[in-house]
Amino acid sequence: DTAVSQTPKYLVTQMGNDKSIKCEQNLGHDTMYWYKQDSKKFLKIMFSYNNKELIINETVPNRFSPKSPDKAHLNLHINSLELGDSAVYFCASGSIGGSAETQYFGPGTRLLVL
Amino acid sequence: GQSLEQPSEVTAVEGAIVQINCTYQTSGFYGLSWYQQHDGGAPTFLSYNALDGLEETGRFSSFLSRSDSYGYLLLQELQMKDSASYFCAVSSGANNLFFGTGTRLTVIP
Repeated sequence: DTAVSQTPKYLVTQMGNDKSIKCEQNLGHDTMYWYKQDSKKFLKIMFSYNNKELIINETVPNRFSPKSPDKAHLNLHINSLELGDSAVYFCASGSIGGSAETQYFGPGTRLLVL
Repeated sequence: GQSLEQPSEVTAVEGAIVQINCTYQTSGFYGLSWYQQHDGGAPTFLSYNALDGLEETGRFSSFLSRSDSYGYLLLQELQMKDSASYFCAVSSGANNLFFGTGTRLTVIP
């Protein structure tokens, strides 16, 4: 059983388009995250959602908007895609309290903007 | 703000021991985590230290010194499959993980 899943795995699109990436976790965690990993492998947190509430929003352009219909899902919507958005986007989940530093990552979505 | 430093690359021989260091500067500190990422794969959790000392999990151990803002990951009996990138990550608040730039480990026969 997949713990954290993302779709699509690959996404190739044109500049200016709007796209969404979906994420689901079946671990019962109460917090989900989105990370961006650039070509230099730098992993940077973008968003964190706890019980459907945004609790972290790093300096990410407002073209990126997380949407969480329930605590098992955290989707990422991107408007007006730019070349610099090309990266791998990872969804992750974890629990507040306890071993909050243990996060479980999805397989990643490889986004290429042309 | 936060900053983490770790070597960009390390090469070691199969069967040997390798240590990957991580120094950090952070405005708040809860603990230091280590993650492994194979090429094309997702980061996977290896270990977490909140208190000073050594934590051992099989062939992998992780050490933390809070007073020195320093930690390391120790990999013993290296195997070819250990070739991957290793990230240290600082937890500086509720569910806020800040990752280092990663160390690419290459294990050679």
